[in-house]
Amino acid sequence: AQSVAQPEDQVNVAEGNPLTVKCTYSVSGNPYLFWYVQYPNRGLQFLLKYITGDNLVKGSYGFEAEFNKSQTSFHLKKPSALVSDSALYFCAVRDGDTGFQKLVFGTGTRLLVSP
Amino acid sequence: SAVISQKPSRDICQRGTSLTIQCQVDSQVTMMFWYRQQPGQSLTLIATANQGSEATYESGFVIDKFPISRPNLTFSTLTVSNMSPEDSSIYLCSARWQGQNIQYFGAGTRLSVL
Repeated sequence: AQSVAQPEDQVNVAEGNPLTVKCTYSVSGNPYLFWYVQYPNRGLQFLLKYITGDNLVKGSYGFEAEFNKSQTSFHLKKPSALVSDSALYFCAVRDGDTGFQKLVFGTGTRLLVSP
Repeated sequence: SAVISQKPSRDICQRGTSLTIQCQVDSQVTMMFWYRQQPGQSLTLIATANQGSEATYESGFVIDKFPISRPNLTFSTLTVSNMSPEDSSIYLCSARWQGQNIQYFGAGTRLSVL
């Protein structure tokens, strides 16, 4: 069965500094990987995905993520954080080979960007 | 991007009652899903709503407690039956279109059970 681990409950970063939110995954087939963001009292918004191709994928709001197959990781990054990036971030995985449709989420990481 | 409308956006209910949540998508969609997000926790899949047939439930969720309907390719409902305070959660509708890998989410229904 597939699973996702987000080892940090919270990440604190100062505005203007780079940020990294960590994610590791486990899946038997080819991983389809996703990052979502949840702002207070809002649903989940899609940020970016990795299906195949370049290991570095770029998404919305200046975010990017690096797929590392050997480390089974898909860390979310941004070169310069904004206060408005403060939100709850979820990593998710789906098995691309089996046709199993279930998207499994990590526990989420709260990002706090201080002015 | 896709438009997924959920209603109600929030509700406060008495224990023992039932609430039906509606989810409408703006175009015909292959797959619709219902998730629960308990306070401070991640998303857990309740079931996959299948058009024209019974929903497929995940372990720990049963049809009697969470009956789901999907009468057509743009609409689904989730009912939370015989509610208790432990059912207080955010319930999210989600959809994935044919040929697309991205799964989109509605804004959620915030349910509080007293």
